[in-house]
Amino acid sequence: QITLKESGPTLVKPTQTLTLTCTFSGFSLSTSGVGVGWIRQPPGKALEWLALIYWNDDKRYSPSLKSRLTITKDTSKNQVVLTMTNMDPVDTATYYCAHSRRFLAPEPFDYWGQGTLVTVSS
Amino acid sequence: DIQMTQSPSSLSASVGDRVTITCRASQGISNSLAWYQQKPGKAPKLLLYAASRLESGVPSRFSGSGSGTDYTLTISSLQPEDFATYYCQQYYSTPQTFGQGTKLEIK
Repeated sequence: QITLKESGPTLVKPTQTLTLTCTFSGFSLSTSGVGVGWIRQPPGKALEWLALIYWNDDKRYSPSLKSRLTITKDTSKNQVVLTMTNMDPVDTATYYCAHSRRFLAPEPFDYWGQGTLVTVSS
Repeated sequence: DIQMTQSPSSLSASVGDRVTITCRASQGISNSLAWYQQKPGKAPKLLLYAASRLESGVPSRFSGSGSGTDYTLTISSLQPEDFATYYCQQYYSTPQTFGQGTKLEIK
């Protein structure tokens, strides 16, 4: 059974760096083809794809946020960490991590965490 | 970036109705198209992938079709639990992108 859960601060101040951790079970990020991504959703708005890391440490970022994002994995801890620098109130959103795969081509997100709401405010 | 445009943005329908939601990509995505259902306060749930393949456990009243740039999600007979917001997503290229969502409400 695959599960994912996001953790991190619920409130950050403008200009601070956000660090979110996705802790998962039921799969390994050392298995060929496996990936974990981050997606966010501002209140009442649509989903936005942020970043994705694969088993082979291939990392993909949203070009519009690439300068602010870093995604890393700790295979031994079954965790993926997303950091976002220079937080702004417009970054207030629910942040999700999700499981994906890539074999011949990328695949969609088939398992999602419950999400964590991050508010950016002074 | 590939832009995904969903229509309509909202839709009112009754239990038993047949509804169709469309998604248009700004360029061809070779059927690398997924549909998700999201209920308030919950994470999205994958319904279909590869434009027309039903995810395990998803009721057969959900179906998908399309090719190239134009795709559709059809719910053949709406059930009370289907009232939610639906998103399409292209995973053909980075950045993967989502549509703006279609809110399906009870008439």
